[in-house]
Amino acid sequence: DAGVIQSPRHEVTEMGQEVTLRCKPISGHNSLFWYRQTMMRGLELLIYFNNNVPIDDSGMPEDRFSAKMPNASFSTLKIQPSEPRDSAVYFCASSLGRRHTGELFFGEGSRLTVL
Amino acid sequence: AQRVTQPEKLLSVFKGAPVELKCNYSYSGSPELFWYVQYSRQRLQLLLRHISRESIKGFTADLNKGETSFHLKKPFAQEEDSAMYYCALLTGTASKLTFGTGTRLQVTL
Repeated sequence: DAGVIQSPRHEVTEMGQEVTLRCKPISGHNSLFWYRQTMMRGLELLIYFNNNVPIDDSGMPEDRFSAKMPNASFSTLKIQPSEPRDSAVYFCASSLGRRHTGELFFGEGSRLTVL
Repeated sequence: AQRVTQPEKLLSVFKGAPVELKCNYSYSGSPELFWYVQYSRQRLQLLLRHISRESIKGFTADLNKGETSFHLKKPFAQEEDSAMYYCALLTGTASKLTFGTGTRLQVTL
């Protein structure tokens, strides 16, 4: 397995543009997480899904952020409209869930720069 | 609400010196704690979990419920230990991990 796959790896966009980040979790994992990493705040959980259903989106900053998981092998995180303060590295992670070990497997991240 | 605190953003030590990365948590339930590490240009990955009571790459961490701490320790730092370290608290049935803000460990000669 190639692990969690994220795209794009890097995105540079202008303020006001729509940004879509994509994630393919490890096959068979039933939990998927979106995190944001910044120097100031470290790793913040934005939203997580269990069996494709959003469980907790309390970390989503505001209505400009939305996430979907239409099936077990794909998820998107969308920012519309984007702002400079959204610049960060966005990580997707997947897991077999707490009944297993609780370990999260992370993608390589998508580095977003909003000018 | 659960919370993980890592008070140091940067910890700089000499090679061969002992290392202690601090982590404190607050959680009303029974905690399960982890340390994750991110080496330069690599994915964030699990280093160790408290329930395993294992030593990985010479690192150990003991859960102290009285002090609500889970500090990461290593007796002799190596250059390859330089990385970003995150303490994390597992809650919920779906493996929700709450991370601290991270500590960058810098091991110098």
